Amino acid sequence: GQNIDQPTEMTATEGAIVQINCTYQTSGFNGLFWYQQHAGEAPTFLSYNVLDGLEEKGRFSSFLSRSKGYSYLLLKELQMKDSASYLCAFMDSNYQLIWGAGTKLIIKP
Amino acid sequence: GAVVSQHPSWVICKSGTSVKIECRSLDFQATTMFWYRQFPKQSLMLMATSNEGSKATYEQGVEKDKFLINHASLTLSTLTVTSAHPEDSSFYICSARDEQGGESTEAFFGQGTRLTVV
Repeated sequence: GQNIDQPTEMTATEGAIVQINCTYQTSGFNGLFWYQQHAGEAPTFLSYNVLDGLEEKGRFSSFLSRSKGYSYLLLKELQMKDSASYLCAFMDSNYQLIWGAGTKLIIKP
Repeated sequence: GAVVSQHPSWVICKSGTSVKIECRSLDFQATTMFWYRQFPKQSLMLMATSNEGSKATYEQGVEKDKFLINHASLTLSTLTVTSAHPEDSSFYICSARDEQGGESTEAFFGQGTRLTVV
């Protein structure tokens, strides 16, 4: 079967670093995505990993280990505007996105 | 990047009426578009996959006669919520992938439509 799991909520301090983990199980895999979603808005794309390793993009980095079915999103130098839900999703063999429930990130001053 | 436009952004309608939501890919052609529903504090739930020129594929538990999907062209898909009821109030989001070149990667989302049925 297919499933994907990420923590429901995390809290971090402004200026700090936070890592949001995502684990998944699937027989067919065509990449893993991270999206940011502010309340009441549609998700916006953050990253896409299809090969193992770390992809860095400014303050945000994403890591993938296909053998472990594991990914994380790393956010550095946290800002108040980073308070949002972070959704991970993998693309299955039919190129359909399977979504996690999202991690609500709360940033405190 | 590619842009997907969804209209309207929000709509309030009376119970029993129908509401149409449009999803357009502005600078690319989308053979396939996806319709999601999202309840407060929950993740996206795929409702159906819209295929240009053919019938949509609905997820289990989604009533095809209630949520009518039409994908008449490579840049437009519409979702019509028929005989809407208060329990249909939700955030509806469409997405599409730029599939030119054969490799499907990033999904681009419309702005979403907040539907409130009173």
